[in-house]
Amino acid sequence: AQSVTQPDIHITVSEGASLELRCNYSYGATPYLFWYVQSPGQGLQLLLKYFSGDTLVQGIKGFEAEFKRSQSSFNLRKPSVHWSDAAEYFCAVASGGTGNNRKLIWGLGTSLAVNP
Amino acid sequence: KAGVTQTPRYLIKTRGQQVTLSCSPISGHRSVSWYQQTPGQGLQFLFEYFSETQRNKGNFPGRFSGRQFSNSRSEMNVSTLELGDSALYLCASSPPASGGADTQYFGPGTRLTVL
Repeated sequence: AQSVTQPDIHITVSEGASLELRCNYSYGATPYLFWYVQSPGQGLQLLLKYFSGDTLVQGIKGFEAEFKRSQSSFNLRKPSVHWSDAAEYFCAVASGGTGNNRKLIWGLGTSLAVNP
Repeated sequence: KAGVTQTPRYLIKTRGQQVTLSCSPISGHRSVSWYQQTPGQGLQFLFEYFSETQRNKGNFPGRFSGRQFSNSRSEMNVSTLELGDSALYLCASSPPASGGADTQYFGPGTRLTVL
């Protein structure tokens, strides 16, 4: 069955430090991969997505992610974290078929805290 | 463009009652999906509606149902509430050119507490 694993439940970094959030997926075909961010009291906001093509994807707020098929990973990175990046981060894979039959399968999230 | 809106934002119910949540998608979006978010289970897909028809369904009991109207607004109903139904219920809409799970835009959610 398709699944998404985010190994780190909670991460704390200092403001200005680099960040990498890990995401591993299990899916037989070429996946559609997403990273979303959820701030307290807010809905989920799409940071970036990978459908095909260049395996390094640029997103909003200075985030990027790299799709590595050999490692079944889609890790999220940011070179310099800002205090406003403190939030919950979710990795998701769209699976279950093609076109309109796809559903989103979610990781359990990584909570990011930023120290001043 | 206005984003996805959900009403009410907060709701408190007691066991055995039923509840209806509402979602208005972004203008022009015809696909609406619903998710349940809890600390223990994370985000779980409930169902997706497109053009007033349920197109996809998750693994939830029949107490959870939904519908979509001709203006793409969607409602979700939970009957015979249980304590375990306490959760944040999120609605998401998708642009017309995308498949059901592609590039979803989420509302702020409805926080349901069952006492």
